[in-house]
Amino acid sequence: KNEVEQSPQNLTAQEGEFITINCSYSVGISALHWLQQHPGGGIVSLFMLSSGKKKHGRLIATINIQEKHSSLHITASHPRDSAVYICAVPNYGGSQGNLIFGKGTKLSVKP
Amino acid sequence: DAGVTQSPTHLIKTRGQQVTLRCSPKSGHDTVSWYQQALGQGPQFIFQYYEEEERQRGNFPDRFSGHQFPNYSSELNVNALLLGDSALYLCASSPLARPNYGYTFGSGTRLTVV
Repeated sequence: KNEVEQSPQNLTAQEGEFITINCSYSVGISALHWLQQHPGGGIVSLFMLSSGKKKHGRLIATINIQEKHSSLHITASHPRDSAVYICAVPNYGGSQGNLIFGKGTKLSVKP
Repeated sequence: DAGVTQSPTHLIKTRGQQVTLRCSPKSGHDTVSWYQQALGQGPQFIFQYYEEEERQRGNFPDRFSGHQFPNYSSELNVNALLLGDSALYLCASSPLARPNYGYTFGSGTRLTVV
């Protein structure tokens, strides 16, 4: 069974700051998901990546398969980025089947 | 292109009752997974359906059952509701034949058991 650890658990930033959220997992995988959840809301998929780096707007996700580690970066953070960010990996290491979720990082960006 | 659609969005039930939640997967997706997210916790896997059969199951009691229809839509049924079943229930769809194409999540159904 895969295990996922995220850090930090809580993060408060000022608008405009560069944000980094980290995720480590225990079993080798072929893909990792970064997800966003606003309070009381459903989950939105931000990235699914299997190697290297992906960028979407101000969001950048990187993964190091050998180190079993991924990071989510937010450049020029904005109050609307305030949400819980969750990384998730396949439970049995493959790319299908059920996902195991980290406990999430609660981000609050102050104006 | 519609994503994953879940209904209803909110639901209040009484302890002991039964509830059915519904999920329509994203177009082109044939696999549906259900998750339970208690307040302040990460989602927990309930089960996954493919070709109208339960393909995998998490650590949930038999009170939780499901079904998948020929059009790939799915239902989650919970019998004999307990207060602890109050949670956000998330549905996710994916294409089994393209394992790196990933998941699409619905917005969830918030179930409150009173």
